[in-house]
Amino acid sequence: KNQVEQSPQSLIILEGKNCTLQCNYTVSPFSNLRWYKQDTGRGPVSLTIMTFSENTKSNGRYTATLDADTKQSSLHITASQLSDSASYICVVSETGFQKLVFGTGTRLLVSP
Amino acid sequence: DTEVTQTPKHLVMGMTNKKSLKCEQHMGHRAMYWYKQKAKKPPELMFVYSYEKLSINESVPSRFSPECPNSSLLNLHLHALQPEDSALYLCASSQVGAIGYTFGSGTRLTVV
Repeated sequence: KNQVEQSPQSLIILEGKNCTLQCNYTVSPFSNLRWYKQDTGRGPVSLTIMTFSENTKSNGRYTATLDADTKQSSLHITASQLSDSASYICVVSETGFQKLVFGTGTRLLVSP
Repeated sequence: DTEVTQTPKHLVMGMTNKKSLKCEQHMGHRAMYWYKQKAKKPPELMFVYSYEKLSINESVPSRFSPECPNSSLLNLHLHALQPEDSALYLCASSQVGAIGYTFGSGTRLTVV
């Protein structure tokens, strides 16, 4: 069964600190992996998208990595800000399918 | 225009009411999606339209009726909903094949 697992489930960090969120997936055949940021009550906003051949992609203070061999991805947030408080969702696409497989998300709280 | 616009942002309706959610995009995407998201859960796919034709219905109750009148517009007609249908309803669009997936900001629906 295609699954996407994220860890930790929730995380509290101090403003200015860095953090790394993890995503493991079993989706096959793999097409691409995306990281989304979702504020409470709002739609997900895309941070990065990576295909099989890409192993790192950055978007400002967000850097995603992908190891397609081990089926693992991480999202690193540098110099966190209060506005980074949100849920971060890892989403994987299966080749040839329009369905996305969603992880359950990591809820990040950045504390002053 | 790189946005998916959903209206209304908030909706409160009684169990005997009929209402509609609207979603619009002008990115030339030919696939459009409806998702339902409960609090602290990932989005759950409801319907997929490809080239204005319904291609996926995830066994959604008939009290939810989707409509795609043209390539830019997607509606979700609601009738005789239950309180447990209260959720954030998200629309998304993409190129067919899930390329360029973009979410709207959602409609917060409350059924009373």
